[in-house]
Amino acid sequence: KQEVTQIPAALSVPEGENLVLNCSFTDSAIYNLQWFRQDPGKGLTSLLLIQSSQREQTSGRLNASLDKSSGRSTLYIAASQPGDSATYLCAVLNTGGFKTIFGAGTRLFVKA
Amino acid sequence: SAVISQKPSRDICQRGTSLTIQCQVDSQVTMMFWYRQQPGQSLTLIATANQGSEATYESGFVIDKFPISRPNLTFSTLTVSNMSPEDSSIYLCSVRTGEYDTQYFGPGTRLTVL
Repeated sequence: KQEVTQIPAALSVPEGENLVLNCSFTDSAIYNLQWFRQDPGKGLTSLLLIQSSQREQTSGRLNASLDKSSGRSTLYIAASQPGDSATYLCAVLNTGGFKTIFGAGTRLFVKA
Repeated sequence: SAVISQKPSRDICQRGTSLTIQCQVDSQVTMMFWYRQQPGQSLTLIATANQGSEATYESGFVIDKFPISRPNLTFSTLTVSNMSPEDSSIYLCSVRTGEYDTQYFGPGTRLTVL
């Protein structure tokens, strides 16, 4: 049974700092891994999707990596800004599965 | 990509009443997903809705409490029946689409039950 864990649960950093959010999963037979952002009381916004065959994806200041063998993914945020403050969720879709498994999220606060 | 809208965006309801949430997608999709997010928690899948067949419910969720309709490939409704304060949550509609099965979410419906 796939389990997804995100560490840390919460993170507070000063503006401008580079930071890494971690996601681990127990079953390496994944089809894809997706990172989302959620603002308080809102829906989820897709940030990056990494296919099983890929090692990383980049979008602007965001870079997501995937290491299936170790069951880990990281989301790197460069030059953080107060507008990056949100909860970041990692989600895994297993090969042959139809149900996405979500981590509990990392709540990020970037101080101005 | 997929653009998803939900109605209502929020509501405050009395105990014992029912609320129907609508979800509209801008493209045809096979499966639509309904999630619940209780305060401070991550997402919990309620059910998967396929067009032309009954929804598939996850453990802990039943059709009598959360009836779902899926009349076509772009629309679905979720009803929260006989509500209690424990049903206060954000309800999210979601789809997966595209070559890589990218998942997209609607803006959510914030429900408060008094």
